[in-house]
Amino acid sequence: QVTLRESGPALVKPTQTLTLTCTFSGFSLSTSGMSVSWVRQPPGKALEWLALIDWDQDTFYSTSLKTRLTISKDTYKNQVVLTMTNVDPMDTGTYFCARIGRDYGMDVWGPGTTVTVSS
Amino acid sequence: EIVMTQSPATLSVSPGERATLSCRASQSVNTNLAWYQQKFGQAPRLLIYAVSTRASGIPARFSGSGSGTDFTLTISSLQSEDFGVYYCQQYNNWPTYSFGQGTKLEIK
Repeated sequence: QVTLRESGPALVKPTQTLTLTCTFSGFSLSTSGMSVSWVRQPPGKALEWLALIDWDQDTFYSTSLKTRLTISKDTYKNQVVLTMTNVDPMDTGTYFCARIGRDYGMDVWGPGTTVTVSS
Repeated sequence: EIVMTQSPATLSVSPGERATLSCRASQSVNTNLAWYQQKFGQAPRLLIYAVSTRASGIPARFSGSGSGTDFTLTISSLQSEDFGVYYCQQYNNWPTYSFGQGTKLEIK
């Protein structure tokens, strides 16, 4: 059974760096064709794709956020980490990680973790 | 960047009726399009990928069609559990993605 779960701080102050961890099981991110992505959702708004890391450790970012995001993986711990620098109240929302299989769909999602940016 | 536009923003349908949701891309995405369902307080769920292929466990009442820039998700006979927000997503520029703004499907 494939599962993912996000973790991180619930509250972050403006200008700080946010670090989120996605811990997964049931698949290996060293298997060819596998990827993990981060998606966020501001309260009451639409989904926004943020970043992706693939089995070969290649990384890809949203054009609008690429200067603030870093995605990395620890294959042995089965974790993917997303860091976002210089956070702003506009970064408040729920952050999801999702597995991407060979069909390119985000086929399994974590339950999400809610982050509030406020002083 | 490819912009995805969904219509209508809200769709009111009675149980048992057919629902048709639309998604338009700002440029061709070929057949690199997926649909997701999200219920309140939950993570999205993959319904369909590659325009018309149902994901594992998705009932046959969900179907997708289209190509290029115009796509449709059809739910043939709405069940009570089908209400929520539906998002289209393109991955033509894989490994980058973009989502539409969503269509809220509500009970009439």
